[in-house]
Amino acid sequence: DAGVIQSPRHEVTEMGQEVTLRCKPISGHDYLFWYRQTMMRGLELLIYFNNNVPIDDSGMPEDRFSAKMPNASFSTLKIQPSEPRDSAVYFCASSLASGGGSDTQYFGPGTRLTVL
Amino acid sequence: SQKIEQNSEALNIQEGKTATLTCNYTNYSPAYLQWYRQDPGRGPVFLLLIRENEKEKRKERLKVTFDTTLKQSLFHITASQPADSATYLCALGSNTGTASKLTFGTGTRLQVTL
Repeated sequence: DAGVIQSPRHEVTEMGQEVTLRCKPISGHDYLFWYRQTMMRGLELLIYFNNNVPIDDSGMPEDRFSAKMPNASFSTLKIQPSEPRDSAVYFCASSLASGGGSDTQYFGPGTRLTVL
Repeated sequence: SQKIEQNSEALNIQEGKTATLTCNYTNYSPAYLQWYRQDPGRGPVFLLLIRENEKEKRKERLKVTFDTTLKQSLFHITASQPADSATYLCALGSNTGTASKLTFGTGTRLQVTL
């Protein structure tokens, strides 16, 4: 398997523009997570899905952020409108539930977002 | 509020020595704890898992301890090598249904020199 795939790897945009980040989880995994990483705040969970259904979006910073998972092999994280404080590395991760609640998460390479 | 503390300062050690990284937490009762490695420009990679009822776990040159009384985990790398240089993240997990919902520390950067 190719692992978790994210695109684009780098995104530079201007304040006010819409940004869409994409993720393809590992085939067969039933959980998908979106994280944001900054130097100040570290790695923060934004939202996660189970079988394509959003389970917990309490980490989404505000209404400008939205995430969808239309099918088991694709998810998007959208920021509209973007602001300079959204600049960060965004990671997607997936896992396969084993029932023990302690499953390993497999991370993608991340998307480095810069909002000017 | 929940807080996870890892030494924000880089840890510099000499090749062959044992590196010990610390993860402390407050206002949290995790069911398990995981350690991840992160290299520059890449996503975190899982290393080890230890559950609340376990005191110690080993994997090759890695050892993790978990003290729920002290609310602390120690991560050891024995016979360290320059290739071990990376940032190491601890992550605490709670049993929320079947999902492994993790809360990460900010990480400690390890530098192993010759």
